[in-house]
Amino acid sequence: DTGVSQDPRHKITKRGQNVTFRCDPISEHNRLYWYRQTLGQGPEFLTYFQNEAQLEKSRLLSDRFSAERPKGSFSTLEIQRTEQGDSAMYLCASGQGDATNEKLFFGSGTQLSVL
Amino acid sequence: AQSVTQPDIHITVSEGASLELRCNYSYGATPYLFWYVQSPGQGLQLLLKYFSGDTLVQGIKGFEAEFKRSQSSFNLRKPSVHWSDAAEYFCAVASESNYQLIWGAGTKLIIKP
Repeated sequence: DTGVSQDPRHKITKRGQNVTFRCDPISEHNRLYWYRQTLGQGPEFLTYFQNEAQLEKSRLLSDRFSAERPKGSFSTLEIQRTEQGDSAMYLCASGQGDATNEKLFFGSGTQLSVL
Repeated sequence: AQSVTQPDIHITVSEGASLELRCNYSYGATPYLFWYVQSPGQGLQLLLKYFSGDTLVQGIKGFEAEFKRSQSSFNLRKPSVHWSDAAEYFCAVASESNYQLIWGAGTKLIIKP
């Protein structure tokens, strides 16, 4: 499978626990994005990497959220001290080239449920 | 601030009928516009995009969209829908930095047999 893969597909956790999600982009893609999507809404931007550099981070992203992309390959998104409001689908996308000609490829997402 | 509005939460269309999904954007300069489709259990897939040039853009799966600057619209159309087109459709505009997409809330397309 040469698409964007995300792991796990589903995560159920208790409030206050830490969770970590992984995204493996398409191998030659230099751009990687994290988005969050709640029911009935479009995706909401969280953060963006170009290679290993995190170039943009949403103001909505609290300090409980952190993302990394070591070596410019896979990426992880960690949420510390989860809250019920963090329940959402977390989407990863990758792309190649400059933004004006960009086609993003999305993974199927990680569905997080915080109890 | 940039924004995207999709006025219709749900649209129901008979199989074989034509389709138009509405999208309005708010953006000061020439926008980069996108339509994506999300099927249940599937990742978002790009249908088409507009950056410049011809205002009528052709996409995959028989979809097209027309950019109308005077109306700040980028409506998606298909002349004859198939049951497999049932999905959620999202319109998006690239941010000024081009680092992110700003999305509408989506329109769920329901196909009647």
